[in-house]
Amino acid sequence: GDSVTQMEGPVTLSEEAFLTINCTYTATGYPSLFWYVQYPGEGLQLLLKATKADDKGSNKGFEATYRKETTSFHLEKGSVQVSDSAVYFCALSDHSSNTGKLIFGQGTTLQVKP
Amino acid sequence: DAGVTQSPTHLIKTRGQQVTLRCSPKSGHDTVSWYQQALGQGPQFIFQYYEEEERQRGNFPDRFSGHQFPNYSSELNVNALLLGDSALYLCASIRGGHPELFFGEGSRLTVL
Repeated sequence: GDSVTQMEGPVTLSEEAFLTINCTYTATGYPSLFWYVQYPGEGLQLLLKATKADDKGSNKGFEATYRKETTSFHLEKGSVQVSDSAVYFCALSDHSSNTGKLIFGQGTTLQVKP
Repeated sequence: DAGVTQSPTHLIKTRGQQVTLRCSPKSGHDTVSWYQQALGQGPQFIFQYYEEEERQRGNFPDRFSGHQFPNYSSELNVNALLLGDSALYLCASIRGGHPELFFGEGSRLTVL
């Protein structure tokens, strides 16, 4: 079945460092891809999305490009801030079903130190 | 515009008891999905409701059941609670034809 694999955390960076969180997926169809962020004690917030190959999602300085050839959707940010400390989840949605079912990776914890 | 709201935010139950969690979707959304997020894990899809019917179900036993009301709000019921049911239960809503889910802050269930 469909699945999502993320790099294991925690990822610890100094403020203003470059961030990459790897995400690869397995899917039989043409999924939409998402990054969600979860701050301590809160629910999930959509960070960015891409619905077809070569699309680039971006928001709040974060970017991810839908790479069909490598089945990847890596999250990047050029300069992280302490406020970016959170858990990041990569997820996919079966584009054909569109029924609100997402398959999530296990999450990657990011810790940014001043 | 209120987002997805869930209640209660925290609750404690003992093994064998039953629990009901509630969710109101974001305004304009007609589809509700429920997820279970164990500590340190990604959310797992439980089921999804649309037009008051269960449309898709994940790999969860029949102890997990749900309901959707005419106003699109939803309930998640879990019977015969086990210690392993301790988790954050997330409700998410979606507007038909759009792939983006909006999540509530969750109900944290502890089973003792």
